[in-house]
Order: sequence, then C-alpha cells, then structure tokens
Amino acid sequence: DQQVKQNSPSLSVQEGRISILNCDYTNSMFDYFLWYKKYPAEGPTFLISISSIKDKNEDGRFTVFLNKSAKHLSLHIVPSQPGDSAVYFCARGTSYGKLTFGQGTILTVHP
Amino acid sequence: EAQVTQNPRYLITVTGKKLTVTCSQNMNHEYMSWYRQDPGLGLRQIYYSMNVEVTDKGDVPEGYKVSRKEKRNFPLILESPSPNQTSLYFCASSFITGGPYNEQFFGPGTRLTVL
Repeated sequence: DQQVKQNSPSLSVQEGRISILNCDYTNSMFDYFLWYKKYPAEGPTFLISISSIKDKNEDGRFTVFLNKSAKHLSLHIVPSQPGDSAVYFCARGTSYGKLTFGQGTILTVHP
Repeated sequence: EAQVTQNPRYLITVTGKKLTVTCSQNMNHEYMSWYRQDPGLGLRQIYYSMNVEVTDKGDVPEGYKVSRKEKRNFPLILESPSPNQTSLYFCASSFITGGPYNEQFFGPGTRLTVL
C-alpha cells in the first residue's frame, strides 16, 4: 500500500510565479516528512524537511506546509526559477533512517 | 569531497547472469540503503543496513542480496537477474543519531537493463 502519494505527475509554471507541489499520506505514524529534488542523470538531493510537531518550515524560496488533519503536505517555491525544473519527491522518514517516497512530480519552469 | 559512489553507472546484461553493483561512501555514515526507481512508482527501498554486519529487508527485497562487511561499502548483488529488475538503482547513506532527521546522501545512480 502506497503510504505517500503524489497525484500530479507533472506541473508547469512560468518563471517568477509560485510552484505548489502536493503530497498526501495515509498513515499517521511518522517522524517527519521531506522533499527531495532530482535532476536527470543525478541522484536525489535533500531539499527541506518538516517534523510532525510543526505546521510550516521555510528555507529561502522553499516552504513546506503540513496539514495533519487533511494528511496533506505541500511544497511552495516562490519565486520559481528555470533551474528549479526537476523531479520532486516527497517522502516520510523515521529517525533510524527509513524513507518511503512518493511517485514524484516533474516540475517545469518556463522562462 | 564527501560523496557516495556507485559502479557501474550503466550495465546491460542477460537473464540469469550474476552481477554486483558496488556502493561506497566516504562520510563514515552508519546507515546505507539501496533503492530502485521505476516510472510511476517513485523510489522503493530494497535493503538497508544500520551498521557493519547489520542488514534488513526494505519494501522490495525479492531477487536481491546485500552485504555490509565494511562500514564504507554496501554492494547490491543480483544472483540471477530477470527482466523485471531492469531499473534505475540508487545507493544512499546517512548518519543515525536518533534525533531529528539526518539527511540521506544519494549516489549518482546505476541504470541496469536485463535482457
């Protein structure tokens, strides 16, 4: 059973606008959620995380929101840049290291 | 430079021919893991290891073996590869502190094709 779901396979936005990537989860037992970014021919790289006791975490242009009642996670990128074009994976993680990933969303930012 | 390396990067093989994909990290991480990435399925964990000589199954372990004889190395072994193991494979490593999330560092990936 997929515990983390990204229902949008792709997203296209204009440079300078906001990108919103979404993720839903089905199990309430978790330590934290994370977003990873992946460029072609490279491994995923860590972007931002949020623990289960928080609702929001910011890091520069990237903000992650956690809605526990809706079991929903979102990543906001403001403003979006062409270099942000990549595949974005949300994941849930445990303190001992296990990560469970969503299917990924391909973000394309047009100049 | 801190990194996770994988070899080979690309491999085409035939059904039943045993192969090994190597993974090495130079960050003294306790935790190492293998994932496979398939279209529409994201990354799925195959096996993981929390320290030397300690390994455990992930979500899709069938058809794979691993070993952890040294802290820095975590090879993935396919004893008898089949076409359904055609995939993109990633090795990852991290510290384990028991506290907040510890970032996992991923290797560049190995593209495996089994004919």
